[in-house]
Amino acid sequence: NAGVTQTPKFQVLKTGQSMTLQCAQDMNHEYMSWYRQDPGMGLRLIHYSVGAGITDQGEVPNGYNVSRSTTEDFPLRLLSAAPSQTSVYFCASSYGPSPLHFGNGTRLTVT
Amino acid sequence: GIQVEQSPPDLILQEGANSTLRCNFSDSVNNLQWFHQNPWGQLINLFYIPSGTKQNGRLSATTVATERYSLLYISSSQTTDSGVYFCAVELTGANSKLTFGKGITLSVRP
Repeated sequence: NAGVTQTPKFQVLKTGQSMTLQCAQDMNHEYMSWYRQDPGMGLRLIHYSVGAGITDQGEVPNGYNVSRSTTEDFPLRLLSAAPSQTSVYFCASSYGPSPLHFGNGTRLTVT
Repeated sequence: GIQVEQSPPDLILQEGANSTLRCNFSDSVNNLQWFHQNPWGQLINLFYIPSGTKQNGRLSATTVATERYSLLYISSSQTTDSGVYFCAVELTGANSKLTFGKGITLSVRP
């Protein structure tokens, strides 16, 4: 099993550009989520999904969009990048109430 | 929302020493997990421990849900234990909305 795979590892965007961060898991996990990590802030939940076709907002959803058309994939879209979205983004998955598995992260810089 | 406080914020140990990391939370929870973020940024799940005590090698964790705290014990620390330790909690038991503490930065000196 590859676990949780995030691409790309690094990305630089200009203000106003859009992009999609990819996340895929091969463990048949029903729960998937996106977090952002900023210095001194811990991890904050952006969006999450409890199954294919079901998504909901977390603590900091503004400026981001998600969809869950398959169990395996949970992409995160930045609609119009802003410098405040410079962060490290983590995707995570789990099967019900069980240990959460994280991907290796995407480091995004918006200039 | 639920508040998660971790202490101490920073910890420096000499290799071989023991330590206790604390996580306090403001409401009853059905889901509590400890994570280690290594110096390369990878997040590793250490324990899924909504209540009780678990051990994994040199690490052990105890959650006292009725008193709203959890402890992570590291014994005979090694330099590879360095990194940031996060506690995360969730009210319903599922992993849909975990709230993370700000983390404890541990440095183990050789």
